[in-house]
Amino acid sequence: QSALTQPPSASGSPGQSVTISCTGTSSDVGGYNYVSWYQHHPGKAPKVMIYEVSKRPSGVPDRFSGSKSGNTASLTVSGLQAEDEADYYCYSYAGSNIWVFGGGTKLTVL
Amino acid sequence: EVQLVESGGGLVQPGGSLRLSCTASGFTFSSYWMHWVRQAPGKGLVWVSRIKSDVTSASYADSVKGRFTISRDNANDTLYLQMNSLRAEDTAVYYCARVGLTGGAFDIWGQGTMVTVSS
Repeated sequence: QSALTQPPSASGSPGQSVTISCTGTSSDVGGYNYVSWYQHHPGKAPKVMIYEVSKRPSGVPDRFSGSKSGNTASLTVSGLQAEDEADYYCYSYAGSNIWVFGGGTKLTVL
Repeated sequence: EVQLVESGGGLVQPGGSLRLSCTASGFTFSSYWMHWVRQAPGKGLVWVSRIKSDVTSASYADSVKGRFTISRDNANDTLYLQMNSLRAEDTAVYYCARVGLTGGAFDIWGQGTMVTVSS
């Protein structure tokens, strides 16, 4: 049950786009379309931004999008805003009723 | 208002036990799968355990298997995590979360309860 691999940090200026990757294996990310992404501001409850690879829950801005290619899922934030600064985690089903998070990426808006 | 509220955290010595609770309100608790997720200080989110809506099946991360037990009381809208043989590395904020979206995604989280394992 190894954590999915995310870059520790990412950054961009307001208005720019940033993509955060999440790399797993054919047993988790690559094997199922059950990847979701969570935004976490310290001290608050995490918030789902994307589910089932690319679906956006109601209320989440369309600046947030998700995709997957092979064993790597990606979260793209377009038109960066100051309030997007947070930690972001990918999460995937890993088979046999086991789930796994990525290590997290700290997104900084410059 | 749809809400999850955790309780039961605190300071416990290594080898000790603690039971966390997660009380649900504002929705039909018995209809949803529930999970526990933890975050150690300065670290990332880690999946801990999951239980189906009808209590028939539970699963655990290898790091807690055999020491932690997830359960639920659908009559009282409460999720539990019984933690035994606690270790320093179990120190974390523990969140309960509801699977309310397809693909196993969480739509509702609690605010978390802190567990500190230290002598």
